[in-house]
Amino acid sequence: DAKTTQPNSMESNEEEPVHLPCNHSTISGTDYIHWYRQLPSQGPEYVIHGLTSNVNNRMASLAIAEDRKSSTLILHRATLRDAAVYYCILRGPYNFNKFYFGSGTKLNVKP
Amino acid sequence: GAGVSQSPSNKVTEKGKDVELRCDPISGHTALYWYRQSLGQGLEFLIYFQGNSAPDKSGLPSDRFSAERTGGSVSTLTIQRTQQEDSAVYLCASSLPRGGRTSYEQYFGPGTRLTVT
Repeated sequence: DAKTTQPNSMESNEEEPVHLPCNHSTISGTDYIHWYRQLPSQGPEYVIHGLTSNVNNRMASLAIAEDRKSSTLILHRATLRDAAVYYCILRGPYNFNKFYFGSGTKLNVKP
Repeated sequence: GAGVSQSPSNKVTEKGKDVELRCDPISGHTALYWYRQSLGQGLEFLIYFQGNSAPDKSGLPSDRFSAERTGGSVSTLTIQRTQQEDSAVYLCASSLPRGGRTSYEQYFGPGTRLTVT
């Protein structure tokens, strides 16, 4: 299975941008890159996903490296509510229905 | 609209007892997933249902675990003869079915916290 590598934790100041990195050097051409986040005491929630091109939505932006071996989730202005564990997940034909969440990056946002 | 709901929110049971955990997916979502999350860990896939197809049970940790989905909607996860290591948060998610190259998001419920004493 293609796995991802993320830092265990990161810290940010409120209202500043946050760049959460993810390495996935063994990604295959059919793998989508998904990001989910889990707020304290809640189930995970979808943030964004992409295949090759950078993606933007109301929550965040996803920047995908040209070789697709890494990606970065960008929160443009962090709020206290963005404090959560962020999971970078590869989703391909071999695991389409079995997300491997890993341990994610715990983001702490300081006021 | 209504999201994924799970019940009970908390369950405390004695070792050796059987428990049933319920999941109500979002209406119209034909795909349903169960995950387990131990304290401080990531999510562990347990089982996947898609419409009337045979479920993918490859993540179930032992034969004490089983799940069914009635009428393509509500699902029940059953753990027989519970053990202390079964203590975890059990999360259910639903999604639209895979459509060609489209990768649909999963919507998660709040989870059931199971404590086996």
